Amino acid sequence: KAGVTQTPRYLIKTRGQQVTLSCSPISGHRSVSWYQQTPGQGLQFLFEYFSETQRNKGNFPGRFSGRQFSNSRSEMNVSTLELGDSALYLCASSLGGGRSNNEQFFGPGTRLTVL
Amino acid sequence: AQSVTQPDIHITVSEGASLELRCNYSYGATPYLFWYVQSPGQGLQLLLKYFSGDTLVQGIKGFEAEFKRSQSSFNLRKPSVHWSDAAEYFCAVGAGQAGTALIFGKGTTLSVSS
Repeated sequence: KAGVTQTPRYLIKTRGQQVTLSCSPISGHRSVSWYQQTPGQGLQFLFEYFSETQRNKGNFPGRFSGRQFSNSRSEMNVSTLELGDSALYLCASSLGGGRSNNEQFFGPGTRLTVL
Repeated sequence: AQSVTQPDIHITVSEGASLELRCNYSYGATPYLFWYVQSPGQGLQLLLKYFSGDTLVQGIKGFEAEFKRSQSSFNLRKPSVHWSDAAEYFCAVGAGQAGTALIFGKGTTLSVSS
């Protein structure tokens, strides 16, 4: 079974631009979560989508948004990029059912650099 | 507030020696706890998880962890470390609806000396 895939793997943008990252979950997984990893703040939860609905949300500004499609693929969008948005963005998928069934499997990440 | 603390930023262990990485959590309800490992430039790999039941949990690559509710701890152990275990290790607690909003500790970097 294929793992979680993320595209693109690397991205360079300039301040003020917007960016869209994509995540394809493991087949059969209905939940997709997004995390930001930086040296200073570590791993921080952005949001989670389950069956096309945002189920959990972290403490990030509204510039960070996401969506999930009917095939469970998810996209994350960051508008008006800031230098501090430079990070590794990780996507994780899980079955999405009850709490005991929700171990998350991570993709390799998208490395975003904002100049 | 929910949080995870990993007190050790960096640990160096000799190859073949035992390892213990510490993790303390703060969570109001029954915690769902995880240990992940991350090699340079890679995503996170799940080592083991605790949902309920036996407090000693076995994982992959010879790792185990013990859940101690009285100490709010979930320490990771390995009896004999291999050079390939050098990586960054993250402890996490599952929060939010369905426990899918993971709260991570800051991580512990493990170096293995020969």
